[in-house]
Amino acid sequence: NAGVTQTPKFQVLKTGQSMTLQCAQDMNHNSMYWYRQDPGMGLRLIYYSASEGTTDKGEVPNGYNVSRLNKREFSLRLESAAPSQTSVYFCASSEAGGAKNIQYFGAGTRLSVL
Amino acid sequence: SQQGEEDPQALSIQEGENATMNCSYKTSINNLQWYRQNSGRGLVHLILIRSNEREKHSGRLRVTLDTSKKSSSLLITASRAADTASYFCATGNSGYSTLTFGKGTMLLVSP
Repeated sequence: NAGVTQTPKFQVLKTGQSMTLQCAQDMNHNSMYWYRQDPGMGLRLIYYSASEGTTDKGEVPNGYNVSRLNKREFSLRLESAAPSQTSVYFCASSEAGGAKNIQYFGAGTRLSVL
Repeated sequence: SQQGEEDPQALSIQEGENATMNCSYKTSINNLQWYRQNSGRGLVHLILIRSNEREKHSGRLRVTLDTSKKSSSLLITASRAADTASYFCATGNSGYSTLTFGKGTMLLVSP
């Protein structure tokens, strides 16, 4: 059982380049999330999708876009990467909100923007 | 801004000792969760406690919740080297599908 799968695991970009981070879950979960983790900052929510067909901004959405392609897949796009977007990105999924909001995380994508 | 704040930021103990981490939060919650993150890995859910519960156990883990003080504690008994990780509290609010994570406590358990 794969759980939450993120690709790629590592990426180096130059300032201004674009890329899409992919995330897929095989647990039939309704909700999916994108976080970034920076040293000393904990996890900060970028965007989330409470259910298929919906997306909402989180705490730090600027510079990112998302697509909930179907129930399984939720991608994060950086249109014009900046050094401030150097971070570790985590995708997570959960069955629903409230007390069912136990989140399952992928292994992360380590992104460096030069 | 982050809802939960863990204390201490770092904790170093010997195998066999107990480890206690604390989490404080600011607004009312529906539930509070604890997660573990091993170095270079994603977060793993450990335990969830609802706002109407005061204490919960899972194996060597004991979580308490005091909603009047807006605080929670995670106790790991008889620590092992394999418990070395960062531990995060996360709060969930009624009606919302998101969690707000704290900055974490780094636990080092030495053999």
